[in-house]
Amino acid sequence: QSVLTQPPSASGTPGQRGTISCSGSSSNIGSYPVNWYQLFPGTAPKLLIYSNSQRPSGVPDRFSGSKSGTSASLVISGLQSEDEAEYYCAAWDDSLDGVLFGGGTKLTVL
Amino acid sequence: QLQLQESGPGLVKPSETLSLTCTVSGGSIINNDYYWGWIRQPPGKGLEWIGSIYYSGFTYYNASLKSRVTLSVDTSKNQFSLQLTSVTAADTAVYYCARDTRIIVTVAASPEPRGSGHFHHWGQGTRVTVSS
Repeated sequence: QSVLTQPPSASGTPGQRGTISCSGSSSNIGSYPVNWYQLFPGTAPKLLIYSNSQRPSGVPDRFSGSKSGTSASLVISGLQSEDEAEYYCAAWDDSLDGVLFGGGTKLTVL
Repeated sequence: QLQLQESGPGLVKPSETLSLTCTVSGGSIINNDYYWGWIRQPPGKGLEWIGSIYYSGFTYYNASLKSRVTLSVDTSKNQFSLQLTSVTAADTAVYYCARDTRIIVTVAASPEPRGSGHFHHWGQGTRVTVSS
């Protein structure tokens, strides 16, 4: 089954490093670039990371992404209260012949 | 600055057809490097990719929705559209249109161009409720 698995929730205190994982398979993350999105309630998703580790213009450099094998990670160094949001990974999947989103991770900054 | 704007009814009756249009401004929909996609988020749930279309009219869809979805493009109006038939309450969601970046993927053992899930530009989203 082609899925991208994310933990439903994550938390940290201000200033801490936060990490969100995205686990897939050879038909998606293992073969294609991973993208990350940030969602706040009532607003459109914002592209945070593309092509595994690239930041669009305007995204703070405390957001970083990496990929190893069939897993990817989003790292937020120095959590801030405004980082409290939902985060989604996404990638192409050969088996589905389509785009796959992870289930999303709700990040809480305590 | 590229902008996308969804438009269409906010309320659709069960069993009827949901129709939305995305108008692109600040750039042409005719571009070899991009596909144009629809994504939705039901209340309390995650993001779900619906389908994508190329300016030529080539389409590909989420397998779970394929039997009910049709995407079309009107390059003269710089618009692309979504039709979802036989809707139920499960289709209630915020619907987004977005621009996706083209990559080469493997389809049936052959290299083919598709969107990559790299949606850089999004519309603001439009809430559609399915209810009688």
